[in-house]
Amino acid sequence: DTGVSQDPRHKITKRGQNVTFRCDPISEHNRLYWYRQTLGQGPEFLTYFQNEAQLEKSRLLSDRFSAERPKGSFSTLEIQRTEQGDSAMYLCASSLEGSRQPQHFGDGTRLSIL
Amino acid sequence: EDQVTQSPEALRLQEGESSSLNCSYTVSGLRGLFWYRQDPGKGPEFLFTLYSAGEEKEKERLKATLTKKESFLHITAPKPEDSATYLCAVPIYNQGGKLIFGQGTELSVKP
Repeated sequence: DTGVSQDPRHKITKRGQNVTFRCDPISEHNRLYWYRQTLGQGPEFLTYFQNEAQLEKSRLLSDRFSAERPKGSFSTLEIQRTEQGDSAMYLCASSLEGSRQPQHFGDGTRLSIL
Repeated sequence: EDQVTQSPEALRLQEGESSSLNCSYTVSGLRGLFWYRQDPGKGPEFLFTLYSAGEEKEKERLKATLTKKESFLHITAPKPEDSATYLCAVPIYNQGGKLIFGQGTELSVKP
């Protein structure tokens, strides 16, 4: 079990630039989730996929955010025209299908906007 | 509105001093409750799932319990390595496993 893998671990960029993060879930998990976490807060849901289908998006996910999961394997989260408020830890999680299945998290990508 | 609240926000204990963390929730149609541990700079690590009121789960010095309105994480004779932020989360009914998290309790255990 290799766990959930995220890349990069840290990203520093200037305001207005585009960034893309990658998540590789646990191989047998068909659900994949993205969350955002700021200091002192719990993770906040952004979006989730079942296989390759994106089934729900939070209101937190503005038009500048887009996520994909081609072929139902790895996923990418892209932020266009980054803003100061996008600075956060972006966490990916995966699980088997079913709301009672625990979600297993990666160690996140820390995004800092200069 | 679905909500999860944890208390206290921070807890400082001496090694061996037992205590409890609280997670209260208001959700429609509870589908279970999860406890996670998070170390600085890391993602949350899954600890327990509780499915119904009255259920208990144990792991080493940790025991989680669940009632219809809240969950407790009891820590017995903690050690410094138990220092971390503990998060609870509930899945939202009919929204595919989307989790709502509490803000966490930051636990510090001093030797």
